[in-house]
Amino acid sequence: NFMLTQPHSVSESPGKTVTISCTRSSGSIASNYVQWYQQRPGSAPTTVIYEDNQRPSGVPDRFSGSIDSSSNSASLTISGLKTEDEADYYCQSYDSSNVVFGGGTKLTVL
Amino acid sequence: QVQLVQSGAEVKKPGASVKVSCKASGYTFTGYYMHWVRQAPGQGLEWMGWINPNSGGTNYAQKFQGRVTMTRDTSISTAYMELSRLRSDDTAVYYCARSRLGITMIVHYWGQGTLVTVSS
Repeated sequence: NFMLTQPHSVSESPGKTVTISCTRSSGSIASNYVQWYQQRPGSAPTTVIYEDNQRPSGVPDRFSGSIDSSSNSASLTISGLKTEDEADYYCQSYDSSNVVFGGGTKLTVL
Repeated sequence: QVQLVQSGAEVKKPGASVKVSCKASGYTFTGYYMHWVRQAPGQGLEWMGWINPNSGGTNYAQKFQGRVTMTRDTSISTAYMELSRLRSDDTAVYYCARSRLGITMIVHYWGQGTLVTVSS
């Protein structure tokens, strides 16, 4: 099994841009799609990015996803930060048998 | 619209079993895999496994093999997750989550979660 490593926390000011990374420990990041979930306190996760860079309907275009094979990582970028973006964010990928989640990143918008 | 509605909170004693249900609506139940994911208090997301509602086939994370059983009742579009020999560290919110169309290993739509508390 591989692991997905995320920073424990990030913080940024309203209106700014923040990027959260997700590094795959083994195997190519490009070999399987990466998803990103937002989880606000007391709520279930919701999908903000799927299949590396696709946004579900209703997710603002301030949210974008990408992968970088050179660093074997995926990134979630949120531009024009709003206080409502403050939440935990998790990346997810998989191999032939297992689904793997990153450990989560707490985003503080201050 | 896709909806996954889970059963209510449970309190169980160590050694007991718990069975959580997940009723699906808004799509063809047998067309998409159903995953189960748990989250201990203050912790991250942990994948437990999936069930193919069409065939009943399952795939469990190694950590839970021998303790977890995932089943479904297609007549009422409901998936179930039963965890046995409960321990205090099984205290968590348990989520069902539907896969993406055509890509079974992508978790996409989530239920509201069911809190299971294991305490003597």
